[in-house]
Amino acid sequence: DAGITQSPRHKVTETGTPVTLRCHQTENHRYMYWYRQDPGHGLRLIHYSYGVKDTDKGEVSDGYSVSRSKTEDFLLTLESATSSQTSVYFCATNRPGQTYEQYFGPGTRLTVT
Amino acid sequence: EDQVTQSPEALRLQEGESSSLNCSYTVSGLRGLFWYRQDPGKGPEFLFTLYSAGEEKEKERLKATLTKKESFLHITAPKPEDSATYLCAVQATGGGNKLTFGTGTQLKVEL
Repeated sequence: DAGITQSPRHKVTETGTPVTLRCHQTENHRYMYWYRQDPGHGLRLIHYSYGVKDTDKGEVSDGYSVSRSKTEDFLLTLESATSSQTSVYFCATNRPGQTYEQYFGPGTRLTVT
Repeated sequence: EDQVTQSPEALRLQEGESSSLNCSYTVSGLRGLFWYRQDPGKGPEFLFTLYSAGEEKEKERLKATLTKKESFLHITAPKPEDSATYLCAVQATGGGNKLTFGTGTQLKVEL
C-alpha cells in the first residue's frame, strides 16, 4: 500500500449539510488527488493538488472544494451536500520515485439523504 | 477529450480458461496506460504501466500489451482469486498527472 488513509470510511448525511472528507498520506509526495466512483461512470477526477496550497480542478469539481495546508493531508469539502454527491470517494497519491503511477486509498462511502 | 472504453463489461470464466480484456483509448498524446485491479469495497490496486506501442508487462497470470489504439490484459489459466474488476486508465502528455478511467471489466472465475 502507498500509505494512504481516508476518514471517515462511511458517512450518512442530510441534504444541505457541509461534509469534509480527509485523506492522509505518508509518502511525502507533493501530488494528491480526489476521485469519485459511480456505477457506469468509472473513476472521475474531482480536484488535485501539486503542493501545499496548490490545487486545481478536475472534470467534476462543481460543488466541491479542497484544501491542502500540509503535505500529508488533503481535505475534500462538500459545502452543501446534495443527493447527486452520493458516491464512493477515493484519494490517491504518487509514490516517491514513481512519476506517473497513482496509488489509491481505501475509499469513503458517502450517502446523502 | 480523452476517452477510454473497456470490454466486455462482465466476463465469467471457468478456472483455467484463459481470456483477454480489452481497453480501447483515444488520447491526444499518450504518456502512459495503466491497469488496476479493484476488489469489492476497496480502492484500486496498481498492476501495470505501459508507455509505448509494442510494450508488454507480466505479473503472475496477467500480461498487459499495448498498441496505438488499445491495450489487452491477458489472463492465463485464471484462478478464483483473480476475480475482481479490472480498470484501465490513460494519462495524456501535457495533461498534468490526470488519469482518465474506463468503467472496468468485472471478472468472475468459477471453480
